[in-house]
Amino acid sequence: AQKVTQAQTEISVVEKEDVTLDCVYETRDTTYYLFWYKQPPSGELVFLIRRNSFDEQNEISGRYSWNFQKSTSSFNFTITASQVVDSAVYFCALSEKGETSGSRLTFGEGTQLTVNP
Amino acid sequence: DTEVTQTPKHLVMGMTNKKSLKCEQHMGHRAMYWYKQKAKKPPELMFVYSYEKLSINESVPSRFSPECPNSSLLNLHLHALQPEDSALYLCASSQEHDRRFFHGYTFGSGTRLTVV
Repeated sequence: AQKVTQAQTEISVVEKEDVTLDCVYETRDTTYYLFWYKQPPSGELVFLIRRNSFDEQNEISGRYSWNFQKSTSSFNFTITASQVVDSAVYFCALSEKGETSGSRLTFGEGTQLTVNP
Repeated sequence: DTEVTQTPKHLVMGMTNKKSLKCEQHMGHRAMYWYKQKAKKPPELMFVYSYEKLSINESVPSRFSPECPNSSLLNLHLHALQPEDSALYLCASSQEHDRRFFHGYTFGSGTRLTVV
């Protein structure tokens, strides 16, 4: 069965600090997708990035960057120069194809990030 | 239209009530999902519909009854719920999980359900 582990339950930083959120996953499938979502207090899930299991290229988007390492089954997320608006719960998630059809997206427990001014 | 629309946004219901949650998308996605999220917990998968057929049921109690009347609509019928069923219910849609063309999931903003 697939599993996603986010070992950091809560992280608190001061504005402008860099912060890395860790994500480790388990899967028996060779084809899978990894995601990061942001969930602010309002509740909606905001999509940040998708990475498929064939592409280990790291990605940078503005202040956000992601490090995918298949050898260690990790998909870590770094925010550079954090801002108060980055405060939210961040979920790492793993998607595998279902046994018959459809797919199953499994979330980690989430990391509550608080950025203090 | 790149959104998943959920109605209502908030719902308060008694334990003897029957209500329905609605979800709609017009992106041509053929897979639709219901997730349940309790406070301070991650979303948990409840049901998956693929091409309007139920393909995954994560052992959800029968007081939750999903329905997919067509490729754009997904309902969740609620009956005789318990207070512990109070949660945020999220709907999502996606293309089929093809290894080359899978673009991920689009989530609605959710229905916050309170059972009294």
